[in-house]
Amino acid sequence: SYELTQPPSVSVSPGQTAKITCSGDALPRQYAHWYQQKPGQAPVLIIYKDHERPSGIPERFSGSTSGTIVTLTISGVQAEDEADYYCQSADSSGVYRVFGGGTKVTVL
Amino acid sequence: EVLLVESGGGLVQPGGSLRLSCEVSGFTFTNYEMHWVRQAPGKGLEWISFISSSGSTIYHTDSLKGRITISRDNARNSMYLQMNSLRVEDTGLYYCAREVDISLEGVSGPEGALDLWGQGTMVTVSS
Repeated sequence: SYELTQPPSVSVSPGQTAKITCSGDALPRQYAHWYQQKPGQAPVLIIYKDHERPSGIPERFSGSTSGTIVTLTISGVQAEDEADYYCQSADSSGVYRVFGGGTKVTVL
Repeated sequence: EVLLVESGGGLVQPGGSLRLSCEVSGFTFTNYEMHWVRQAPGKGLEWISFISSSGSTIYHTDSLKGRITISRDNARNSMYLQMNSLRVEDTGLYYCAREVDISLEGVSGPEGALDLWGQGTMVTVSS
């Protein structure tokens, strides 16, 4: 079955930049989306179609793509950004959705 | 207010069945495709099922095929997940989420993404 691979954890100091990667063979052909999940809460969409930002999402969140890797960048990290982040895409057929394993962002 | 509210979870013995519901309000249900996503305790998100806006197209993750059935009732603004032959490893929080159906005329939104989620309903499979 198709998989998306994320690093388990990323640590960053306040005000610095955090980058979270997500790799998958179908990413050149399928859009990726990113979700933020804080403890005890439902996931929230923060980036869609690789780099688009929904209304209400701070500009410090951005997305990019290069080949089989998509990247979520958090610029000027704030304490409130401490959360789990998941990438999501589809397999090459576009039918089956898949989530990455998640990355825990810790703000030092 | 735009809401998705799951219900129907609970404690069930291995081999048992549950029917989860997702009732929506505050938006035009028929403009959206719907998904079920689950999360085992302390683990990541797992996509499990999709249903198109009309209900005519359905997909299930391979690992659960034969044990789950997704359905929707557009007149009741509701979606359902019938789960059978439940196993201990099915324990988790089950979320419903919406995805805008951009194939519909006049409908726009974050294509392909799950842009709004409910708070989830907990399923515990244990003897």
